[in-house]
Amino acid sequence: DQQVKQNSPSLSVQEGRISILNCDYTNSMFDYFLWYKKYPAEGPTFLISISSIKDKNEDGRFTVFLNKSAKHLSLHIVPSQPGDSAVYFCAASAPPGNTGKLIFGQGTTLQVKP
Amino acid sequence: DGGITQSPKYLFRKEGQNVTLSCEQNLNHDAMYWYRQDPGQGLRLIYYSQIVNDFQKGDIAEGYSVSREKKESFPLTVTSAQKNPTAFYLCASSGSGKETQYFGPGTRLLVL
Repeated sequence: DQQVKQNSPSLSVQEGRISILNCDYTNSMFDYFLWYKKYPAEGPTFLISISSIKDKNEDGRFTVFLNKSAKHLSLHIVPSQPGDSAVYFCAASAPPGNTGKLIFGQGTTLQVKP
Repeated sequence: DGGITQSPKYLFRKEGQNVTLSCEQNLNHDAMYWYRQDPGQGLRLIYYSQIVNDFQKGDIAEGYSVSREKKESFPLTVTSAQKNPTAFYLCASSGSGKETQYFGPGTRLLVL
């Protein structure tokens, strides 16, 4: 049972344009969401997070939007740069009682073309 | 400077052999985690520890064992009972009560 889903395995955008990565979840008890970026053969690096009490969080070129009614979150990267090419994972904090556990989506590979 | 280290970067296992992957952190984090990544898949939780001398099974604990004798260290043993051990193994840590986990560089385990 995949509680966190990233339905697009890959995304290709032109440098300077907007990249939108999507993530859906099924468990309405999730209360914290995170995005990680991963290069091949390296560990994921934390990008940005959002609490379920907010619907938007912004950090430089990265903005995460949360739509609780649709159980959907998205990561916007504006403007996209070639160095953004990587695999992006969304993750959700497990329901109360499992403090600290994260549930990850399958990842979306972003390619930013020069 | 602070961070999480994993060693070795590559590890080869022979059939029937147990191997141990090292994870050390100097971030003074209470919680530590082990994940496995397979091609085209997300990260799956193997074991986690919220405090020294305590740990819990994750979603795919069969064939693995851990120990948490020190706050800084959380080694993972891949036993011979793990029939499909080839994967990229990632260790992470987080502060007490905080959801953001920080990851090490990973260890790739290959079977000879």
